[in-house]
Amino acid sequence: GIQVEQSPPDLILQEGANSTLRCNFSDSVNNLQWFHQNPWGQLINLFYIPSGTKQNGRLSATTVATERYSLLYISSSQTTDSGVYFCAVTASGSRLTFGEGTQLTVNP
Amino acid sequence: DAGVIQSPRHEVTEMGQEVTLRCKPISGHNSLFWYRQTMMRGLELLIYFNNNVPIDDSGMPEDRFSAKMPNASFSTLKIQPSEPRDSAVYFCASSSQPTGMTEAFFGQGTRLTVV
Repeated sequence: GIQVEQSPPDLILQEGANSTLRCNFSDSVNNLQWFHQNPWGQLINLFYIPSGTKQNGRLSATTVATERYSLLYISSSQTTDSGVYFCAVTASGSRLTFGEGTQLTVNP
Repeated sequence: DAGVIQSPRHEVTEMGQEVTLRCKPISGHNSLFWYRQTMMRGLELLIYFNNNVPIDDSGMPEDRFSAKMPNASFSTLKIQPSEPRDSAVYFCASSSQPTGMTEAFFGQGTRLTVV
């Protein structure tokens, strides 16, 4: 099956800093989503982005499908951005395959 | 819309007992997914339904697990008998089409502890 690798596994930032999270996948995909799992365990949709670039406030994402990677940018980070960020993809069929996530800690 | 609704939020049960987790998908969504999250295995798909019909149950761990979707607005995941290794967070998700073509939305999860 498709492999999804996220980097870095852990990231610690000071409030106000910018960061880039990466997701590499091993095959062509029909779907790519970024999620934020907050400290209460909720999985919050950030982006549905099988290709191209999207922006939502301080967050933006870019997927280069031909090169099999996606990037999530967080600017001016806040303590509420802390949590785990997951990339998930679908290659064929409907199975969303998740990466292992990036654990982000933003310190005040 | 209230989003995907799961119940209960937390469940603590004794080994050997039957556990039933419930899910109400987003109205109008015709694909429903059950996922399990553990520290060891991360987030993994257990089963998914399209138009109330189970399409892929290859992720269901063993015969102790069963899932049903009697109508478009309700699904259950049952574990009988439960074992301590079933302790995990179980998520339900729904989408308006099979996930390959559109965005999936997740419920808040049910944290199951089997003692």
